[in-house]
Amino acid sequence: GNSVTQMEGPVTLSEEAFLTINCTYTATGYPSLFWYVQYPGEGLQLLLKATKADDKGSNKGFEATYRKETTSFHLEKGSVQVSDSAVYFCALSDQTGANNLFFGTGTRLTVIP
Amino acid sequence: DTEVTQTPKHLVMGMTNKKSLKCEQHMGHRAMYWYKQKAKKPPELMFVYSYEKLSINESVPSRFSPECPNSSLLNLHLHALQPEDSALYLCASSLSSRPGSGDTQYFGPGTRLTVL
Repeated sequence: GNSVTQMEGPVTLSEEAFLTINCTYTATGYPSLFWYVQYPGEGLQLLLKATKADDKGSNKGFEATYRKETTSFHLEKGSVQVSDSAVYFCALSDQTGANNLFFGTGTRLTVIP
Repeated sequence: DTEVTQTPKHLVMGMTNKKSLKCEQHMGHRAMYWYKQKAKKPPELMFVYSYEKLSINESVPSRFSPECPNSSLLNLHLHALQPEDSALYLCASSLSSRPGSGDTQYFGPGTRLTVL
């Protein structure tokens, strides 16, 4: 079956620190992988995606590489800002159903000045 | 434009009320989704519509009734809800719901529902 295991939070970092949020997955076939971000009181926004092995998704300084050999899609950012404080969800899209998304549990990031 | 709009933003209703949530997109997407998100949890899929037809119902209680009147609109009719139904209800859309497509789902801001 499909599942996503995501690094437990919460994570608290100082501004300009390096961020890594781990994400591993189990899936049938070759799913597409996503990172979504949810700011307080808002819906989910797509942060980045990758559709095949070795693809790197990037956006707003965030990056994640689709690693088939380790079934991972870790999120990284070199220098976080206070405005990056949010909940981050790793997700995969179902290869057999109706493009369903399977989400990890979410990681809450707080960046302090 | 990757905007999905949802109304209302907040809704408070009693257990005997009937209300509706509305979702709209104008991206030409043919797949639309309803999710339920409880506090500090990831979204859970409720329904999927593909080309205006219900394709997935994730064993959702009948007090939730979805409707897709056209390719741009998705409604969720609510009746006789319970307090445990209080949650953030998210709508999303994607180009298609074709298995394996990996089409990105774009989410609306959600409706925060409180059932008294």
